[in-house]
Amino acid sequence: AQTVTQSQPEMSVQEAETVTLSCTYDTSESDYYLFWYKQPPSRQMILVIRQEAYKQQNATENRFSVNFQKAAKSFSLKISDSQLGDAAMYFCAFVSGSARQLTFGSGTQLTVLP
Amino acid sequence: DSGVTQTPKHLITATGQRVTLRCSPRSGDLSVYWYQQSLDQGLQFLIQYYNGEERAKGNILERFSAQQFPDLHSELNLSSLELGDSALYFCASSTSGSADTQYFGPGTRLTVL
Repeated sequence: AQTVTQSQPEMSVQEAETVTLSCTYDTSESDYYLFWYKQPPSRQMILVIRQEAYKQQNATENRFSVNFQKAAKSFSLKISDSQLGDAAMYFCAFVSGSARQLTFGSGTQLTVLP
Repeated sequence: DSGVTQTPKHLITATGQRVTLRCSPRSGDLSVYWYQQSLDQGLQFLIQYYNGEERAKGNILERFSAQQFPDLHSELNLSSLELGDSALYFCASSTSGSADTQYFGPGTRLTVL
């Protein structure tokens, strides 16, 4: 069974600064995908970024980038130039090629301080 | 806006009742997933349908059932409701039935009194 661990229940960052959210996962599969989803106070689940395990290059989406360390089974999210609108709960999620459902971590609540 | 729609947004009902939650996937997506988000259990996968057929089952209670119709919309039926069923229920959709990006609807908040 796959597990996803987010060890930081809460984090805070000053506006315009950079913050990194941690995520580790455990799997015996070689074909899998990793995601970060954002859940703002509206409770909508919004896709932030996706990483395919077979790709060595780290994914980036504007101010969001990941540090994917496959051997260490680590998948952290870096948010640059943090904005007030980035305040949300961030979930790390995993899906393998054999199982189709997402397995989520417990989430990290990010606060952005003005 | 993800393109996935869910109705209703809020639902308040009593214990023992039955409710139906509805989901319409993004245009072109064949796969629908249902997830439950509760305070104590986090986000849990319930069930997946692909092009009308059940593909995967998670921790879905026997009191819960789902189906996907020929027009690809899906319904999640919850019966004999208990207080502990109060949660946010999400529908997500993806293009294929395998490992693929899932896009989430806005959710239905169910309150059981």
